[in-house]
Amino acid sequence: AQSVAQPEDQVNVAEGNPLTVKCTYSVSGNPYLFWYVQYPNRGLQFLLKYITGDNLVKGSYGFEAEFNKSQTSFHLKKPSALVSDSALYFCAVREGDGGYQKVTFGTGTKLQVIP
Amino acid sequence: DGGITQSPKYLFRKEGQNVTLSCEQNLNHDAMYWYRQDPGQGLRLIYYSQIVNDFQKGDIAEGYSVSREKKESFPLTVTSAQKNPTAFYLCASSWGGTDTQYFGPGTRLTVL
Repeated sequence: AQSVAQPEDQVNVAEGNPLTVKCTYSVSGNPYLFWYVQYPNRGLQFLLKYITGDNLVKGSYGFEAEFNKSQTSFHLKKPSALVSDSALYFCAVREGDGGYQKVTFGTGTKLQVIP
Repeated sequence: DGGITQSPKYLFRKEGQNVTLSCEQNLNHDAMYWYRQDPGQGLRLIYYSQIVNDFQKGDIAEGYSVSREKKESFPLTVTSAQKNPTAFYLCASSWGGTDTQYFGPGTRLTVL
């Protein structure tokens, strides 16, 4: 069975500093990996995805993520955090091979950017 | 203005009542999904539909029902059989079952 882990419930970072939100995954085949962001009482917004190709994926709002197959990780990063980045971040994975495959979401990491 | 809409934003239910949550999309997506979000548990899949007039159970379908009579609509009914329905419910859609999912704004259901 596929799974995704976000080991940190909360990450605190000072405004202007780089941020990293961690994600590790487990699938039996090739992974499709996603990051979403959720603001309070709102739906999830798509940030970026990895399917194949370059291990460094660039997404919305200056975020990027690095796919590391050997470490089965897909950490979300941003060079300089903004207070407006404070939100709940979800990593998700699905197996890339075959037809419909369920997407499994992590439990979320709350990012707090401190002014 | 394209996107996914969910209504109502807030919904209150008395115990023993069935309630229906609306989800509509004008993105021409084939696939639609319902998730339940509880604090600290991430998103759990309730039902999904890859095509009109067809839907499949997700991980936590008990106490819920859906229909997919139109491509743009995927309503979710929370029945009285669902013992703990208080949660935030999210609808999503995608071009196909393999593609990126896009989410609606959610409905917060509270049982009184």
